[in-house]
Amino acid sequence: DTGVSQDPRHKITKRGQNVTFRCDPISEHNRLYWYRQTLGQGPEFLTYFQNEAQLEKSRLLSDRFSAERPKGSFSTLEIQRTEQGDSAMYLCASSFVAVEETQYFGPGTRLLVL
Amino acid sequence: SQKIEQNSEALNIQEGKTATLTCNYTNYSPAYLQWYRQDPGRGPVFLLLIRENEKEKRKERLKVTFDTTLKQSLFHITASQPADSATYLCALGQLIWGAGTKLIIKP
Repeated sequence: DTGVSQDPRHKITKRGQNVTFRCDPISEHNRLYWYRQTLGQGPEFLTYFQNEAQLEKSRLLSDRFSAERPKGSFSTLEIQRTEQGDSAMYLCASSFVAVEETQYFGPGTRLLVL
Repeated sequence: SQKIEQNSEALNIQEGKTATLTCNYTNYSPAYLQWYRQDPGRGPVFLLLIRENEKEKRKERLKVTFDTTLKQSLFHITASQPADSATYLCALGQLIWGAGTKLIIKP
């Protein structure tokens, strides 16, 4: 078990560009979550999947954000037409909901939009 | 709307003393509440989960209480050590997170 991994760890982009982040959950976990976290704040829920189905999406998530988990394994989070306000740490977590509610987090992807 | 509050100011505790962190919430009745630890630049790490029908949970030097009437959870670290210095987050269920309290243990 290698834990949850995220790639890249850091991303610097210019305003207006698109970015895509990848998350590889713990292999047997059926739920995968995406969060955004800014300095001094807790994780802000964005969306989550159970297997390949996207079950919930935050109302705060604009149409510029999209997430996929095509085969129920890894997931991608894409941000289109990035804005400076998108600068944050993007965290991915996974869990095996039938067993426990504990979420296991990856190291995060830090995004800076210039 | 649902609201969750943790001490926004850093908590400074002398090594060896007990640190107590507070999590208050409104407009919600969670089936369970979780506490996580987060170090700078890293993702949160799970510590303890307490369910609505449990009053108290312990794990080594950690203790969590849950008062559904007061809508409050307390997180205690006994015999605190400088290595316990971190930000501690509480979460209602799986999706609602507090802003965290920064704990500093001074030698």
